[in-house]
Amino acid sequence: AQSVSQHNHHVILSEAASLELGCNYSYGGTVNLFWYVQYPGQHLQLLLKYFSGDPLVKGIKGFEAEFIKSKFSFNLRKPSVQWSDTAEYFCAVSGNTGGFKTIFGAGTRLFVKA
Amino acid sequence: GAGVSQSPSNKVTEKGKDVELRCDPISGHTALYWYRQRLGQGLEFLIYFQGNSAPDKSGLPSDRFSAERTGESVSTLTIQRTQQEDSAVYLCASSPAWGQGAGEQYFGPGTRLTVT
Repeated sequence: AQSVSQHNHHVILSEAASLELGCNYSYGGTVNLFWYVQYPGQHLQLLLKYFSGDPLVKGIKGFEAEFIKSKFSFNLRKPSVQWSDTAEYFCAVSGNTGGFKTIFGAGTRLFVKA
Repeated sequence: GAGVSQSPSNKVTEKGKDVELRCDPISGHTALYWYRQRLGQGLEFLIYFQGNSAPDKSGLPSDRFSAERTGESVSTLTIQRTQQEDSAVYLCASSPAWGQGAGEQYFGPGTRLTVT
């Protein structure tokens, strides 16, 4: 079955700490991978995406993610978090075997202490 | 341009009543998606439209749920005989294209449904 697993439900960091949020997926065939973010009181918005090519993708606000096909992973990273990164982060996958239906992970709530 | 809009923003209804939720996608977006987000949980896929066709309805929780879309425009999600477990935020998203290399979704603000 198609699924997305986010390992951490809640993460608390101090400003300037490094961030890595885990994401593993189960989805056959060719995949599109996404990270979305929802800041408090705002809509879900795209942070970054991977379709093909360089497996290390860079998104907005200094975030990056690496697609490791052998591990079915797409972990999100940021070298130094800021208080304004406090948000909920969702990993998502779509692909041709699922008719490009998008499956979302359960989300990770990040709280950054000032 | 305008983003995805949803109405109403909040809906409180009594158990057993029918509700209709509306989504206006970004103009020209081919794909439209409905999700449900229960408190403290992730997004649960309900249905998507490619144009006005719904290739996959497998996410609809029961036959009380239905959705339709007019062309590449407005979509409505209808819940009949609402139950308390239907209480959630219902999110709509649209996407300008479909298929490999596509699928970036633009989300609306959601409709918060409370069934009493």
